[in-house]
Amino acid sequence: GAGVSQSPSNKVTEKGKDVELRCDPISGHTALYWYRQRLGQGLEFLIYFQGNSAPDKSGLPSDRFSAERTGESVSTLTIQRTQQEDSAVYLCASSFSGALTDTQYFGPGTRLTVL
Amino acid sequence: LAKTTQPISMDSYEGQEVNITCSHNNIATNDYITWYQQFPSQGPRFIIQGYKTKVTNEVASLFIPADRKSSTLSLPRVSLSDTAVYYCLVGGNTGRRALTFGSGTRLQVQP
Repeated sequence: GAGVSQSPSNKVTEKGKDVELRCDPISGHTALYWYRQRLGQGLEFLIYFQGNSAPDKSGLPSDRFSAERTGESVSTLTIQRTQQEDSAVYLCASSFSGALTDTQYFGPGTRLTVL
Repeated sequence: LAKTTQPISMDSYEGQEVNITCSHNNIATNDYITWYQQFPSQGPRFIIQGYKTKVTNEVASLFIPADRKSSTLSLPRVSLSDTAVYYCLVGGNTGRRALTFGSGTRLQVQP
């Protein structure tokens, strides 16, 4: 596709359930990022993938959060045993090489609501 | 990554020029300055990037003084559609790739 796509666009779940969020980056982009944005706040970095290198997981808030990426394609962010404070928009971005000078292209996000 | 400080919010009217200043006192030699724009319910979108002096594109201008400890995003003749949150980021090609967008500057353009 022409841009970064994410699914689902909205997800409502009950506290304690697991959720999976999907990101399809732009084809050819080696770098992929996940961010979390709470209502009215800035973006919070979660995890970064660059090619075949070990991912930078330093932003993951707890061990309930994990992410995988298959090669240089699709990525899945998994949140286990969701809590109400996990409610936020989860944004995925990709860039050509991962350098800060590369433009990050963002998807529309997945709005997660934990009841 | 260098810490950045921006105003929380700004108000303007259609047709005016808007200047948003970002402070980044501990910017490193290899750091670039990048600005993103975010509309409600959308992901951020790249606006402009620079290293020093002035950069201009079809959307905005970026002014960076010689000491590079601050930068100013200039939006000429804003319209209602420029109402958005604007983020300033500072970082380079080396080191941790993590980006801190901060809370940004919320620009409200009035008719």
